[in-house]
Amino acid sequence: DQQVKQNSPSLSVQEGRISILNCDYTNSMFDYFLWYKKYPAEGPTFLISISSIKDKNEDGRFTVFLNKSAKHLSLHIVPSQPGDSAVYFCAASEDSNYQLIWGAGTKLIIKP
Amino acid sequence: DVKVTQSSRYLVKRTGEKVFLECVQDMDHENMFWYRQDPGLGLRLIYFSYDVKMKEKGDIPEGYSVSREKKERFSLILESASTNQTSMYLCASSLSGRAVYFGPGTRLTVT
Repeated sequence: DQQVKQNSPSLSVQEGRISILNCDYTNSMFDYFLWYKKYPAEGPTFLISISSIKDKNEDGRFTVFLNKSAKHLSLHIVPSQPGDSAVYFCAASEDSNYQLIWGAGTKLIIKP
Repeated sequence: DVKVTQSSRYLVKRTGEKVFLECVQDMDHENMFWYRQDPGLGLRLIYFSYDVKMKEKGDIPEGYSVSREKKERFSLILESASTNQTSMYLCASSLSGRAVYFGPGTRLTVT
């Protein structure tokens, strides 16, 4: 039973436009959410996170939105750049647990 | 900067061989993890350890074992490698469940 779902395996966006990556979760006990970016043949790197007490967190071109009632979060990248082409993973955790629960990833392709 | 290093970037082994994947972190993190990544399946947790000599099974522990004799080192062992263990193996460490830091990964091919 997947507790964190990324329903789009891939997404193609024109350079300069907005990329929106989505993530849904089922466990209402999750209180912290993270996005990671992964290039081929490299380990994932931390991108941005959000606590459940917030509904938005922004870092430069990256903004994460959290809708707790819908159990949904999204990552917005504006403007999209060629270097943003990568696989993006959504992850979630609850306070009492060591582990992160991961989504399956979305491959973002930025077209020139 | 947190540094997680893995002993090999690429490895080719034969079916039935015993395989050791080593991981070292330099940030005194309590928790260490081994994942495998396969296309369309995301990151799947094999084993994790929250202290020296402690280990817990993740989602897919079958065919694997681990060793954590020192805080900074976490080893993954494939007792008898099989072709379905061909994958990207990722080691990670964390201080809490809030963020994990990954190594560069080991691409293992079992022929």
